[in-house]
Amino acid sequence: KNEVEQSPQNLTAQEGEFITINCSYSVGISALHWLQQHPGGGIVSLFMLSSGKKKHGRLIATINIQEKHSSLHITASHPRDSAVYICAVDNNNDMRFGAGTRLTVKP
Amino acid sequence: NAGVMQNPRHLVRRRGQEARLRCSPMKGHSHVYWYRQLPEEGLKFMVYLQKENIIDESGMPKERFSAEFPKEGPSILRIQQVVRGDSAAYFCASSRRQNYEQYFGPGTRLTVT
Repeated sequence: KNEVEQSPQNLTAQEGEFITINCSYSVGISALHWLQQHPGGGIVSLFMLSSGKKKHGRLIATINIQEKHSSLHITASHPRDSAVYICAVDNNNDMRFGAGTRLTVKP
Repeated sequence: NAGVMQNPRHLVRRRGQEARLRCSPMKGHSHVYWYRQLPEEGLKFMVYLQKENIIDESGMPKERFSAEFPKEGPSILRIQQVVRGDSAAYFCASSRRQNYEQYFGPGTRLTVT
């Protein structure tokens, strides 16, 4: 079993839909990261969180430390949100990555 | 304020040659991390360095791979005698301090022919 599990693996949505991507982990962590990998391959760090909830624009990330679970939400999705979203757990700089969720938002 | 820079962006090497990948961290960042993304696979941690020190190299293959982060200049990931299985995207990230947010570079895509 992978230490970091993401679901779904693939997700197709219509423009405007509310998106949720889930991440469960089985190891102790100091922080959890959500990354976005664009079709061109570049990686952008979206959030780093260790508790609670963070919001940047249309993106919201939550984490429940007791349940070892995090969610990434995208409100009012847009085709430019199409990318692979990667959950990574950080235990004092020992990073473990999920397999990623490939999101396609259709106009 | 430039972000993390990596060069080259694309590197083609024949089997048996050496590959040198460079990573310049963001200004003010003294921690560098290298990750590898094999084709159709997820990211994997390779090595974590501070200036002049290797802090954690638990993800580095035991042979042919080495990394350094000298007092002056970029961090270098060096792969000797490359093989086809080394073909991958290599990303570096930097942070200001340990456990601070990491910022990723654009990656170097290594192709071994």
